Amino acid sequence: QVTLRESGPALVKPTQTLTLTCTFSGFSLSTSGVCVTWVRQPPGKALEWLALIDWDDDKYYSTSLKTRLTISKDPSKNQVVLTMTNMDPVDTATYYCARFLSRGGYFDYWGQGMMVTVSS
Amino acid sequence: SYELTQPPSVSVSPGQTARITCSGDALPKQYAYWYQQKPGQAPVLVIYKDSERPSGIPERFSGSSSGTTVTLTISGVQAEDEADYYCQSADSSGTSYVFGIGTKVTVL
Repeated sequence: QVTLRESGPALVKPTQTLTLTCTFSGFSLSTSGVCVTWVRQPPGKALEWLALIDWDDDKYYSTSLKTRLTISKDPSKNQVVLTMTNMDPVDTATYYCARFLSRGGYFDYWGQGMMVTVSS
Repeated sequence: SYELTQPPSVSVSPGQTARITCSGDALPKQYAYWYQQKPGQAPVLVIYKDSERPSGIPERFSGSSSGTTVTLTISGVQAEDEADYYCQSADSSGTSYVFGIGTKVTVL
């Protein structure tokens, strides 16, 4: 049974760095073709892809946010961590982690999402 | 940056057919995927690789592709199909992923 769960602070102040952790089970990030990705969704707005890390530790970032994002993994803990620097109120959103299968090219399992509010 | 264009809303009566289009320059080269999202829930994959349906997704959901446009078709729409639908694909390099703005399907 594949599950993913996001964790981190629900509230951050402007200019601070956000660190989110995705803890997963039911699959291995060391398996060829398996990736974990982050997607966010501001309230009432569309989904936005942020970053992806694959089984080979290759990392891919949204062009518009790449200077602020870092994605990393700890396969021994079944965790993927996303950091986003210089947070702004426009970054207020629900942040999802999801499993991505490169062979299929899709996000097949999603976490429940975590709401992060940026406010002083 | 690469964009996918969807209509913001589609309205349909129960039992009728809803069609949602998604346009993007790289779609002839990259597959498209469709996700259904209901309020307060995570997205659910309903179509992959333009026209394939995951197990557990009703047969009334289908996908097609023609040139730079892909289409999600919901035949015999039911009230439970009321949701936001997002198309998703990759840019021409295949290393950056993008979602459309989402289409709200309203069942009248």
